[in-house]
Amino acid sequence: GAVVSQHPSWVICKSGTSVKIECRSLDFQATTMFWYRQFPKQSLMLMATSNEGSKATYEQGVEKDKFLINHASLTLSTLTVTSAHPEDSSFYICSAKRTDEQYFGPGTRLTVT
Amino acid sequence: GENVEQHPSTLSVQEGDSAVIKCTYSDSASNYFPWYKQELGKRPQLIIDIRSNVGEKKDQRIAVTLNKTAKHFSLHITETQPEDSAVYFCAASNIGSYIPTFGRGTSLIVHP
Repeated sequence: GAVVSQHPSWVICKSGTSVKIECRSLDFQATTMFWYRQFPKQSLMLMATSNEGSKATYEQGVEKDKFLINHASLTLSTLTVTSAHPEDSSFYICSAKRTDEQYFGPGTRLTVT
Repeated sequence: GENVEQHPSTLSVQEGDSAVIKCTYSDSASNYFPWYKQELGKRPQLIIDIRSNVGEKKDQRIAVTLNKTAKHFSLHITETQPEDSAVYFCAASNIGSYIPTFGRGTSLIVHP
């Protein structure tokens, strides 16, 4: 149990376009999901906490108008990178909380050209 | 907020040796300390965790110790194998509020 999926696994987009990434908890309900960004050989940087039915809580320095998060159901949270630029290229990972534990999705490699 | 320091950043051992990774945290309210293993290009996987009501937990070759007074916790891997090679992250959080803070990671290399 405790499987989290993420889609797409990789995406290439042009500068100025928007990209949506989906995070799903497949076999449990998650009222809380997290979105992380990870640069090569670096740690996980928490971007925001997504709570079902309410607005996401963004970490300091993360632009909420650029990284739109929607947690419309207990099994789905989405991250939309709006007006993407090359500096947004990164590995984005979601995780879902089940009781005390956190389960990660496989990540999405975003490349903005 | 919470601050988690992790050392070393890189650890190289011979197969069969033990490996120890150490983390310190700053917030005395933190009471949940998970460890994750991340292989290259893959998701972090929870390998072991410890709560503040115990001082040690063991699962086969992996053990974690916690010293609440000193605010540090450690991951111990015995009889290391090449497949243990990965990046290991520690984290600290408060179960009630649960906003996890991660360490910077330790790249473990096990030489056959």
